Amino acid sequence: TQLLEQSPQFLSIQEGENLTVYCNSSSVFSSLQWYRQEPGEGPVLLVTVVTGGEVKKLKRLTFQFGDARKDSSLHITAAQPGDTGLYLCAGPAGGTSYGKLTFGQGTILTVHP
Amino acid sequence: NAGVTQTPKFQVLKTGQSMTLQCAQDMNHEYMSWYRQDPGMGLRLIHYSVGAGITDQGEVPNGYNVSRSTTEDFPLRLLSAAPSQTSVYFCASRRLANTGELFFGEGSRLTVL
Repeated sequence: TQLLEQSPQFLSIQEGENLTVYCNSSSVFSSLQWYRQEPGEGPVLLVTVVTGGEVKKLKRLTFQFGDARKDSSLHITAAQPGDTGLYLCAGPAGGTSYGKLTFGQGTILTVHP
Repeated sequence: NAGVTQTPKFQVLKTGQSMTLQCAQDMNHEYMSWYRQDPGMGLRLIHYSVGAGITDQGEVPNGYNVSRSTTEDFPLRLLSAAPSQTSVYFCASRRLANTGELFFGEGSRLTVL
């Protein structure tokens, strides 16, 4: 089983600060996804990265896929209380796109007003 | 605009009881899956299906059964509940079997006493 390790596990910051969440593996992934989950709800897809070195921006969120396709990062600029939630990275198990999707353990982000 | 619907949202069982968690999607998705979510462990795949009549095991299948008699429905059966199965269960689907965005239900919180 290919493992995805996320860090940090917890992040508590003030509104307006910047932050980065990391998702690392010793295995190569054909693609990685980032999901966000709010309390009492299921995760919702934020982005999919598929090319090594790829950078995608979603308003104040910047996602990067490592050149070797073994890691990814999520950077949030000027965090807001509405960014609070659980952030999960996910990739196809077995290095292929077929079937199983494996998740990291998640990063719980709390942004204080 | 239902998406993925899970029932029940909450359930309390006694050790040894059996029950079925229901999952239905109205998006004609090929792929359906069940995950469990425990604190600090992200989402772990229990079983998945790439089409009607086809199911396969995920990372943590023991103690659970599934079937996929129709495209829309993917019930998860707990055969003899154990306290270790106390968790939040999520059903998720996606349009294609091998890639794409996972759409999640709102979750079912199960407590086994």
